[in-house]
Amino acid sequence: DTGVSQNPRHKITKRGQNVTFRCDPISEHNRLYWYRQTLGQGPEFLTYFQNEAQLEKSRLLSDRFSAERPKGSFSTLEIQRTEQGDSAMYLCASSPRGLAGGLGNIQYFGAGTRLSVL
Amino acid sequence: TQLLEQSPQFLSIQEGENLTVYCNSSSVFSSLQWYRQEPGEGPVLLVTVVTGGEVKKLKRLTFQFGDARKDSSLHITAAQPGDTGLYLCAGGNTGSARQLTFGSGTQLTVLP
Repeated sequence: DTGVSQNPRHKITKRGQNVTFRCDPISEHNRLYWYRQTLGQGPEFLTYFQNEAQLEKSRLLSDRFSAERPKGSFSTLEIQRTEQGDSAMYLCASSPRGLAGGLGNIQYFGAGTRLSVL
Repeated sequence: TQLLEQSPQFLSIQEGENLTVYCNSSSVFSSLQWYRQEPGEGPVLLVTVVTGGEVKKLKRLTFQFGDARKDSSLHITAAQPGDTGLYLCAGGNTGSARQLTFGSGTQLTVLP
């Protein structure tokens, strides 16, 4: 088990370009989350998948953002027409199935993708 | 909207000193997670507490969940330079997504 893997680790792009990030969760984890973290802040929830279904989206996820998890394994997060305000660390986390109560909140994070929009 | 406030925001201490970091909210959480994050890396899970009043120890780190499940503390005994990092608390929500609400973090620097 190699943990949650995110690629690329760093992405520099020009304003207006599209970017796509990939997340490979811990194997057999059916829950997958995307968060965004800006400098000096804690991560903020963006969206959640259970298997291949996207079940919840934050109001932070504007219509320029889209996420998929087509086969219930890896996930992608695409940002269209990037803006300088999109510069942040994008974090993916996964959570195993079958944990009851408060233990169901346990999440393991990847190393993140640092996006810089010039 | 659930909010978690962490204090202090910054803490710089000498090796061997003790410290406590606080995480407070007006909301009830189903669990409280503590993570440590290094620059340029993702948060690493340290502990999960789920029961009001629960205390967990991890070597020199002691974590406590408040009786009402609205607050938590992290106490480090005899801090070492290797403890340096950003400490984040995260409250677990009870909705179907079970997403985490994070505090803004405490940046700890332990000087040798």
